[in-house]
Amino acid sequence: DSGVTQTPKHLITATGQRVTLRCSPRSGDLSVYWYQQSLDQGLQFLIQYYNGEERAKGNILERFSAQQFPDLHSELNLSSLELGDSALYFCASSVGSGGQFFGPGTRLTVL
Amino acid sequence: GENVEQHPSTLSVQEGDSAVIKCTYSDSASNYFPWYKQELGKRPQLIIDIRSNVGEKKDQRIAVTLNKTAKHFSLHITETQPEDSAVYFCAASKTYNTDKLIFGTGTRLQVFP
Repeated sequence: DSGVTQTPKHLITATGQRVTLRCSPRSGDLSVYWYQQSLDQGLQFLIQYYNGEERAKGNILERFSAQQFPDLHSELNLSSLELGDSALYFCASSVGSGGQFFGPGTRLTVL
Repeated sequence: GENVEQHPSTLSVQEGDSAVIKCTYSDSASNYFPWYKQELGKRPQLIIDIRSNVGEKKDQRIAVTLNKTAKHFSLHITETQPEDSAVYFCAASKTYNTDKLIFGTGTRLQVFP
């Protein structure tokens, strides 16, 4: 157990819908990262927050957005969902001692 | 742009043999190189990492080597066991604690008893 939690574990929804994925980092970790893992794309970096502020952006679609709250938990919002958005979404957190530790992931299925 | 290439994509070894996975990165500003093990349906787990001021690091049966000049780093697993079977990902980052990871495409390792 990495100490990073994610909910929900599974999400099944229809095209065009909007979903919210939630992540709680390890206690004391200020950075939260979101990654997407699909079969043909591997692990792709989406976005990073550090202590509530957006720090870096990867190839995140405009339909996707995220935020980090004062208690440091983060939410990833996916809207106007398409079939190709079906993937595993991981968040990870890190602190000064180094290393990113991943949560268990949310498996999103868009039908 | 930032890119990490990983080879081979699949690797099959007999139990007790060694396994080597190689990665090459493109961004010369990279200074941190972790390796993750991912079992089917599970989270990527950090198994070992190396920073750019170190050429080699070992942890029991696992070792990682780094050649900054050639922008290569490798994972070595000795005395492989069936429970080592998983997908292994290399990654590169500018710092060890505050930057995104750029991942390789993964190596599926199968260890046959």
